[in-house]
Parts: sequence; structure tokens; C-alpha cells
Amino acid sequence: QKEVEQDPGPLSVPEGAIVSLNCTYSNSAFQYFMWYRQYSRKGPELLMYTYSSGNKEDGRFTAQVDKSSKYISLFIRDSQPSDSATYLCAMSAGKGSTLGRLYFGRGTQLTVWP
Amino acid sequence: EPEVTQTPSHQVTQMGQEVILRCVPISNHLYFYWYRQILGQKVEFLVSFYNNEISEKSEIFDDQFSVERPDGSNFTLKIRSTKLEDSAMYFCASRTGSSGANVLTFGAGSRLTVL
Repeated sequence: QKEVEQDPGPLSVPEGAIVSLNCTYSNSAFQYFMWYRQYSRKGPELLMYTYSSGNKEDGRFTAQVDKSSKYISLFIRDSQPSDSATYLCAMSAGKGSTLGRLYFGRGTQLTVWP
Repeated sequence: EPEVTQTPSHQVTQMGQEVILRCVPISNHLYFYWYRQILGQKVEFLVSFYNNEISEKSEIFDDQFSVERPDGSNFTLKIRSTKLEDSAMYFCASRTGSSGANVLTFGAGSRLTVL
């Protein structure tokens, strides 16, 4: 499946660094864009949710969507060791129950070292 | 905070055996989903369930798979005759019926190992 592409990393940064995670996609019907965080052997946990293009900020996290380029990003400012996890991008189109049919990237494994 | 609960956390089974994975979605949610994640691969959609019937299924969800909501709280995934390639983490997820809100809450997953 090539619908959502994400560099799996691993990515290793020092504490306090700015982290940039990215995904590209091919399906122009995608309207909803999400970032999930997943710890080892746990379920994905929603971090950020964006509808259509634009930016959204929540604390140290900023999500950006550029639909013209089919490119989404997640920025983490002042990264902490507790941010160490796998970050999954996900997206969906449609309505009703198909809203919940998410297409995931492979996930980027992030390690923040003290 | 409400959560999606899945049991068992880990199940080991022999090839050809039937397996039932159980989920208790968040109580006021209306849409239910099963996803799976083979080790090292993407999280993949299997099936969605709404109003007591399957609303969408992927090509992975063949005749060996079935889902059921036997009562008002449980949501189950049955694999009739397991194959080695069914070994994966299976995630249940649910969401509300609010228009435009497709925020899925995932459970912690059930790890299935087929020997």
C-alpha cells in the first residue's frame, strides 16, 4: 500500500530539540489528518487532529497540513525523553462510518535522550 | 478518562483453531472498528460496524473473519481457522456519532500468535 508514506526512522535527538515528522499521501480525497503516538505494544493514542489544510497548535505540538502538496507535518518543540515513542500519521476521507477508516503511515520511531 | 478495553492481551493458538478477541468500546460510542498491525508493518483497517451491521470491510477481512456485538457492551472479532499470517496485534477502536468527528479511541490491543 502506497497511499501514505512515512519515513520509519529511527530518529534520535537530544532533549530540548525541535522534532519534525512528516508524511506524504497520494489520495486527494483525504480530508482528515491525525497524528497518533504509540508506545511499544500499546494502542495508538491520538495527539493531534486537523481537518483540511492549515495549522493547529496544542502545547508543544504543532500539526501542519498542506493539501496542495499532499504533505503533513508534526513539530514537537522542547522535546522531552517522555516523547520517545513511535509517531503514526493517519488520514481519512468520506462520511459516516468511513470517517473511521484510517490509512496509517508506517510510523516514525523517535528517541529523545537526556 | 473513558477507554476501550480489549481481552485477552495475548493469545497463543495453534494453526487452524478458532480465536475470539473481545472488546468493550466506550459506552456512548456508536461506531466500532477492528484494525490489525503485523509486526513492523502499518496499522491496517479490517472492518467497521455501525447499527449492528458491518458498514465497510477491507480485502483482508475475508470469510474467515466475523464480527459481532452480542450485547450492548461487547464487540468481538472471530477468526474461524487461524493461519500463521494472522499473527498480529489486533486493535479495537470506537468513536462517537458526532457529525464530522472521526476521532478514534483505540484499545491497548490483543496480541495473537499463531503457531
